[in-house]
Amino acid sequence: DTEVTQTPKHLVMGMTNKKSLKCEQHMGHRAMYWYKQKAKKPPELMFVYSYEKLSINESVPSRFSPECPNSSLLNLHLHALQPEDSALYLCASSPSGTGVIMNTEAFFGQGTRLTVV
Amino acid sequence: RKEVEQDPGPFNVPEGATVAFNCTYSNSASQSFFWYRQDCRKEPKLLMSVYSSGNEDGRFTAQLNRASQYISLLIRDSKLSDSATYLCVVNQKGGGNKLTFGTGTQLKVEL
Repeated sequence: DTEVTQTPKHLVMGMTNKKSLKCEQHMGHRAMYWYKQKAKKPPELMFVYSYEKLSINESVPSRFSPECPNSSLLNLHLHALQPEDSALYLCASSPSGTGVIMNTEAFFGQGTRLTVV
Repeated sequence: RKEVEQDPGPFNVPEGATVAFNCTYSNSASQSFFWYRQDCRKEPKLLMSVYSSGNEDGRFTAQLNRASQYISLLIRDSKLSDSATYLCVVNQKGGGNKLTFGTGTQLKVEL
């Protein structure tokens, strides 16, 4: 199983709503990521979890709150978003967290296309 | 200077052509390098890792020049199905796995 599964595939939410994006992988990967991608732009890193601990936060606004309940799951909690937060949110995982041996190719889920109205 | 830079294209080439993409990175401590492919409205998918000795996978050849901080991807005998955006990705070790994407190069293969 080389899949990263994201739900939902599409989400429309109001600026006062609270919602969560979910990501799951069963490849035994120890690093998981959230990326944000706007149209015609490359993915931009938001958060990295390594061995279930937050290791990188790319100065993401607090209205985005990541959570890693266990090694297979990654959530992104959304609250009080703005219309400019509308984007494709991509989850990814890679085999190793930290360590000398860098085996770090990442596998991406299909993404959640988020629209904030 | 951006951490990972690519020519955005688009590269419009006829079927059967050979096309080359370049990528430069600014952090000399970068350790791992990849080419990803992304189709319109789809997720990025790993095309190939890039090794110091260079590596080939069918019609695709990747090269790494650490001294010049430069990565390349060569596609031979282009197919219509090769049309996509090709993303150069660099891993910068330290504090976890920080995969940084280049801006991507758009390829359109035409009849």
